[in-house]
Amino acid sequence: AQRVTQPEKLLSVFKGAPVELKCNYSYSGSPELFWYVQYSRQRLQLLLRHISRESIKGFTADLNKGETSFHLKKPFAQEEDSAMYYCALRGNSGGSNYKLTFGKGTLLTVNP
Amino acid sequence: DTGVSQNPRHKITKRGQNVTFRCDPISEHNRLYWYRQTLGQGPEFLTYFQNEAQLEKSRLLSDRFSAERPKGSFSTLEIQRTEQGDSAMYLCASTQDGTGESETQYFGPGTRLLVL
Repeated sequence: AQRVTQPEKLLSVFKGAPVELKCNYSYSGSPELFWYVQYSRQRLQLLLRHISRESIKGFTADLNKGETSFHLKKPFAQEEDSAMYYCALRGNSGGSNYKLTFGKGTLLTVNP
Repeated sequence: DTGVSQNPRHKITKRGQNVTFRCDPISEHNRLYWYRQTLGQGPEFLTYFQNEAQLEKSRLLSDRFSAERPKGSFSTLEIQRTEQGDSAMYLCASTQDGTGESETQYFGPGTRLLVL
């Protein structure tokens, strides 16, 4: 079974402070990991995926297979980063190749 | 084409009634997914279509739920004899197979269902 755990439901930081949203996963194979974001009154959208190894809006995330983690980081948070963040996993075995398994999400609030 | 669309956006129904939701994916996207999201949870996978074929169904999809994608374009999700536990946000997503963007699922705005 595949599982994604986001231990923090709420995270509050001040503008300019570093932010780290934690994500741990459980999967027997080599998964693909994603971060999705939902801004207020907007639809869920992809922020970044581990295979791209890119930085989007200043956010980065590194897949650590040893610790089965995919934490999202940004060195200097901005108020516009306030949103709900979901970590998601896509397996690569059998018939579950395409579905996403999401964590419960972390609500990030960046205070001025 | 402005993205995945879903109708209706909100639905209030009485317990025991049937409801049907519609999803229109991005043009030429051949994969379509349905997810359900309850309060405080992330989206949970319900079912998935490749063109018109329904290839996977979650155990969450009881026999009261049925999904179709008759022409490989739009999809419908029907819930028969609704129960209060069916109250949730129902999300649709689509992807295009065979391109570098195949991993990216594009989500619709969702249909929020309230069963009284």
